[in-house]
Amino acid sequence: EVQLVESGGGLVQPGGSLRLSCATSGFTFGSFEMNWVRQAPGKGLEWVSYISITGSTIYYADSVKGRFTISRDNAKNSLYLQMNSLRAEDTAVYYCARGVITFGGVMNYWGQGTLVTVSS
Amino acid sequence: DIQMTQSPSSLSASVGDRVTITCRASQDISNYLAWYHQKPGKVPKLLIYSASTLQSGVPSRFSGGGSGTDFTLTISSLQPEDVATYFCQKYDSAPFTFGPGTKVDIK
Repeated sequence: EVQLVESGGGLVQPGGSLRLSCATSGFTFGSFEMNWVRQAPGKGLEWVSYISITGSTIYYADSVKGRFTISRDNAKNSLYLQMNSLRAEDTAVYYCARGVITFGGVMNYWGQGTLVTVSS
Repeated sequence: DIQMTQSPSSLSASVGDRVTITCRASQDISNYLAWYHQKPGKVPKLLIYSASTLQSGVPSRFSGGGSGTDFTLTISSLQPEDVATYFCQKYDSAPFTFGPGTKVDIK
């Protein structure tokens, strides 16, 4: 069974940092592209970042570019999101999501999400 | 960047009704369009990709169409378990933008 479990969320002050992790199991992590998607309370879905299988190709939404860094460790079957210079508007549930084999930006497995709250 | 819009923003229909949601891209995205739904309190679920390819395990009452800039998601016979918010998403190139969503409920 495919599982994605996010961790690392919590309450952080504006300007602070957090590192999210996504532990995966039930599939060959090193064969799939991965994404982070967020959802502010009561709002829609916002794609945040993408990373290719080897990590050689990375994309970010403009709203997080220069502040967030996506990475992966295929040996540990894990995906990460380093979030710096956090703002109130970054408050959201953050999901890690696995890309389908043919189109990495299409996501067919999602974690349950981890809540990040940016507030003083 | 390409913008995604959806209409309507919400709709209410009866069980058994045919429901159609529209998604529009501000530029041509060929058929690089996916549909998801998110039931209340749940995680998003992939329904359709490549504009019209049904994801494995998704009921056949869901169908997608369109190409270029205009796309549709149709539920042929609305069921109570289809109450959800529906999102389209472009994936031709980054950013992989989602539409704002269409909330579907039962009349």
